[in-house]
Amino acid sequence: DQQVKQNSPSLSVQEGRISILNCDYTNSMFDYFLWYKKYPAEGPTFLISISSIKDKNEDGRFTVFLNKSAKHLSLHIVPSQPGDSAVYFCAASSANTGNQFYFGTGTSLTVIP
Amino acid sequence: NAGVTQTPKFQVLKTGQSMTLQCAQDMNHNSMYWYRQDPGMGLRLIYYSASEGTTDKGEVPNGYNVSRLNKREFSLRLESAAPSQTSVYFCASSVPSGGLLTGELFFGEGSRLTVL
Repeated sequence: DQQVKQNSPSLSVQEGRISILNCDYTNSMFDYFLWYKKYPAEGPTFLISISSIKDKNEDGRFTVFLNKSAKHLSLHIVPSQPGDSAVYFCAASSANTGNQFYFGTGTSLTVIP
Repeated sequence: NAGVTQTPKFQVLKTGQSMTLQCAQDMNHNSMYWYRQDPGMGLRLIYYSASEGTTDKGEVPNGYNVSRLNKREFSLRLESAAPSQTSVYFCASSVPSGGLLTGELFFGEGSRLTVL
């Protein structure tokens, strides 16, 4: 059963506009959340993370928001650039899941020049 | 600094054949993982090793075995390959932060396996 879900398989955004990628989770024990970016034929690379003690974490153009009551997190990219075109995975873990990270199915972002 | 290195990058097998995917990391990380990526399924954990000498099953361990040879190396073996094991396999490593798992995963470039 998928504990981390990304319900939008794809998203297209104009260059310069905001991209919003969404992720939902079911396990209330998750307390650490990450976003990964993946280009074709490459391994995923870490983008940004957030601990459950926070509701927002910002790193340059990337901001992750966490809504624990809704079990929902989102990644905002602003302004979007063509180089941001990639597949984005959210992931979650907790001390109670041992060393396991649970991943969503990914959202393919296309930024149109 | 190579990070996480996987070999081979591509492999074609016939049903019933065996093979081993090799993974090595040079970041002195304690934990290592094997994931598979399938269309519409995201990344699913096959096995992981929290530290040298330990291994544990993940979400989809059936049909696989692993060996944590030393702190650097973590191999994944398919004893009798099946078409359902056609996938892209990723090795990853991480170092937990203190008593909680707050470390990020570092991934290799992936190994594309096709089982005919």
